[in-house]
Amino acid sequence: DADVTQTPRNRITKTGKRIMLECSQTKGHDRMYWYRQDPGLGLRLIYYSFDVKDINKGEISDGYSVSRQAQAKFSLSLESAIPNQTALYFCATSVGIAGELFFGEGSRLTVL
Amino acid sequence: AQRVTQPEKLLSVFKGAPVELKCNYSYSGSPELFWYVQYSRQRLQLLLRHISRESIKGFTADLNKGETSFHLKKPFAQEEDSAMYYCASGQTGANNLFFGTGTRLTVIP
Repeated sequence: DADVTQTPRNRITKTGKRIMLECSQTKGHDRMYWYRQDPGLGLRLIYYSFDVKDINKGEISDGYSVSRQAQAKFSLSLESAIPNQTALYFCATSVGIAGELFFGEGSRLTVL
Repeated sequence: AQRVTQPEKLLSVFKGAPVELKCNYSYSGSPELFWYVQYSRQRLQLLLRHISRESIKGFTADLNKGETSFHLKKPFAQEEDSAMYYCASGQTGANNLFFGTGTRLTVIP
């Protein structure tokens, strides 16, 4: 089955450390997204990419960077993690403009 | 900016009772509206979208432009409907979906 895979699924790190969350997909979709989920705040968009050469900031991009290494891979980096970046991070893909999103299982990040 | 409001964080109903999860959006143009669901230990997935006008797992949602609402309804709740539900809005031709804060539905046996 075509899928969206996130690694790692869980990560605990310390303030100031560099962290990378990786996302790969076998759906063949061009569009990829990184969302952050916090209790009571829903999902908020961090970055999105429509193809390998296209990277766009979302609502809450400060403190994050991304890399679209290939059509199938989209990585999220925290250059210097801070505790308020503790959250559940979701990668998603889609085929259309604001269309149906296909989500990964999520990566739970804890910054101490 | 677009906003999606789900006023209820938690909603509990008895099995067999009707259920309505509320969603209001702020965009005044032609929005595209969706309901996503996250069952326990499963990933977030699309439940339904307003343009398809279909019923999925007994759920329906009608777009009311006058009230800027897209409430999710089911006449008879089942235990397997217990989950987290997110309403999402996207502007036609735009690049992003805006999600509400979610409503956790619990169906009591």
